[in-house]
Amino acid sequence: RKEVEQDPGPFNVPEGATVAFNCTYSNSASQSFFWYRQDCRKEPKLLMSVYSSGNEDGRFTAQLNRASQYISLLIRDSKLSDSATYLCVVNAGNMLTFGGGTRLMVKP
Amino acid sequence: GAVVSQHPSRVICKSGTSVKIECRSLDFQATTMFWYRQFPKQSLMLMATSNEGSKATYEQGVEKDKFLINHASLTLSTLTVTSAHPEDSSFYICSARPRRSGNTIYFGEGSWLTVV
Repeated sequence: RKEVEQDPGPFNVPEGATVAFNCTYSNSASQSFFWYRQDCRKEPKLLMSVYSSGNEDGRFTAQLNRASQYISLLIRDSKLSDSATYLCVVNAGNMLTFGGGTRLMVKP
Repeated sequence: GAVVSQHPSRVICKSGTSVKIECRSLDFQATTMFWYRQFPKQSLMLMATSNEGSKATYEQGVEKDKFLINHASLTLSTLTVTSAHPEDSSFYICSARPRRSGNTIYFGEGSWLTVV
């Protein structure tokens, strides 16, 4: 089993749709969690950290479920520009582990 | 915000030669830098973790004699691909963790290496 698992997708959604991604992790000692966005042939960029109480940034909402060891990212009112690969990142100690990424394609 | 600069962004080299990629943190001190490799349509794969002033820790399957990592200062780490072969062609990305920020990491722009 991979340490951090994501559905690779692609998720094909129309503009304006709401879409959610999950990411599961196996290390119960994981301390912090992030979502990164990676555009094709570019470096990943931090989208948002994920806090235990859940957090929202505009159209994006991230949640953490420690008991079930997963994090989620919800995107509301999808835009064409949201098309990218979304990477889940889990930190345990000094180790950062990336999920394989979930590809999102928003269609007109 | 924090910025990590990586150079060169693209490089083409002949098989058998060596290539050096630099990763600099521009406005913060990075105690830890990470090097990743990403093949097309695949996820980032951690190659090694380097801490300033000490030897890099390589992931299983990554040859330390082939991928030389030097982290000589708190703002610079280098990756040298020695005796490059076509199968080393890939997207190499560095990231750095600021000393002050705890867990957030910032990525360099990446370097596309093509070995011909």
